[in-house]
Amino acid sequence: AQSVSQHNHHVILSEAASLELGCNYSYGGTVNLFWYVQYPGQHLQLLLKYFSGDPLVKGIKGFEAEFIKSKFSFNLRKPSVQWSDTAEYFCAVKSWGKLQFGAGTQVVVTP
Amino acid sequence: KAGVTQTPRYLIKTRGQQVTLSCSPISGHRSVSWYQQTPGQGLQFLFEYFSETQRNKGNFPGRFSGRQFSNSRSEMNVSTLELGDSALYLCASSEDRGEAFFGQGTRLTVV
Repeated sequence: AQSVSQHNHHVILSEAASLELGCNYSYGGTVNLFWYVQYPGQHLQLLLKYFSGDPLVKGIKGFEAEFIKSKFSFNLRKPSVQWSDTAEYFCAVKSWGKLQFGAGTQVVVTP
Repeated sequence: KAGVTQTPRYLIKTRGQQVTLSCSPISGHRSVSWYQQTPGQGLQFLFEYFSETQRNKGNFPGRFSGRQFSNSRSEMNVSTLELGDSALYLCASSEDRGEAFFGQGTRLTVV
């Protein structure tokens, strides 16, 4: 079955620490990859996307992600987090028109 | 440009009743998708409509249905409500197969 796996459910880190969230998917064929963020009380927002081309993509707020096709992975990174990055992060894969989400990772950044 | 608008924001219904949720997509977007978000199951794809036709469907029972109008606005209907249908229902719109933009959601509580 097609699936999207996020490695961590909860991550707690201090401001200025680096963040890396893992995402693996099991799909054959062409896929589009996304990372969404949901800040407390807000709607899902797109952080970044990969459709084709350079496997290292840059998104908003200093986030970037690397697509490694051989590993079916699309990991999210940020070199130095801020308190305002506290949110839930979702990896998503679009295949044949269906957008499937991972379970999400709750990230808490402490001052 | 106005974002995706979902109405109502909150809804309380009784078991056995039916409910209709509404979604107005971003102007120019012809694809509208619906998702169910619960703490236990995460974000699950319900269905996608494009130009008034259902293009994709998730694994939900027939009690969940939808439609799309000529102005791309969409409605989702759930009949014979069950307690387990309590969830945040999210609507997303996109330009055909581009990235999805999400609304704030409708919080449905079934009692």
